[in-house]
Amino acid sequence: DQQVKQNSPSLSVQEGRISILNCDYTNSMFDYFLWYKKYPAEGPTFLISISSIKDKNEDGRFTVFLNKSAKHLSLHIVPSQPGDSAVYFCAAANRDDKIIFGKGTRLHILP
Amino acid sequence: DSGVTQTPKHLITATGQRVTLRCSPRSGDLSVYWYQQSLDQGLQFLIHYYNGEERAKGNILERFSAQQFPDLHSELNLSSLELGDSALYFCASSPGGLDTIYFGEGSWLTVV
Repeated sequence: DQQVKQNSPSLSVQEGRISILNCDYTNSMFDYFLWYKKYPAEGPTFLISISSIKDKNEDGRFTVFLNKSAKHLSLHIVPSQPGDSAVYFCAAANRDDKIIFGKGTRLHILP
Repeated sequence: DSGVTQTPKHLITATGQRVTLRCSPRSGDLSVYWYQQSLDQGLQFLIHYYNGEERAKGNILERFSAQQFPDLHSELNLSSLELGDSALYFCASSPGGLDTIYFGEGSWLTVV
């Protein structure tokens, strides 16, 4: 039972263009969402988060959008840079004290 | 450097054995989470401790157990190891509540 789904295992984007990573969730009780970036042989690093009371949060090149009615969130990276090539994990948390992660999307930034 | 320290970084052991993975959270963080990442799998939530008490359990096998000590460090004990337990085990910490969690670099466990 996957409560957090990242349906695209991989994504390739030209350098300088926008990268859009998508995430869907099934549990309407989730009220905090996070995105993490992971390089090989390293732990995931926090990128950006959003509370369920908001529909957008921006931090530099990274913007997360939340559509509660669709149970969908997305991460936009503009402009995409070579160093953005990594695996991106979407995560959701609720007051059950669990933080559930998706399976990740591997982003390739093409020169 | 996230401030979360995990030891050992790498471990190779035989089937049927028992191992202990250790995690020191960031200074001041009361919550510790454990995750398992197997090949082609995402981060599977195992267990969450807050200030020494178990707060939530995920897909943690009965052969696995964890605890958080008064100094807030945590240990994940894996026993009767099987080949399928080979994975990267991550610890993460946070101050508590709905907050960002910060990951350690993981402990690579290989069961042969």
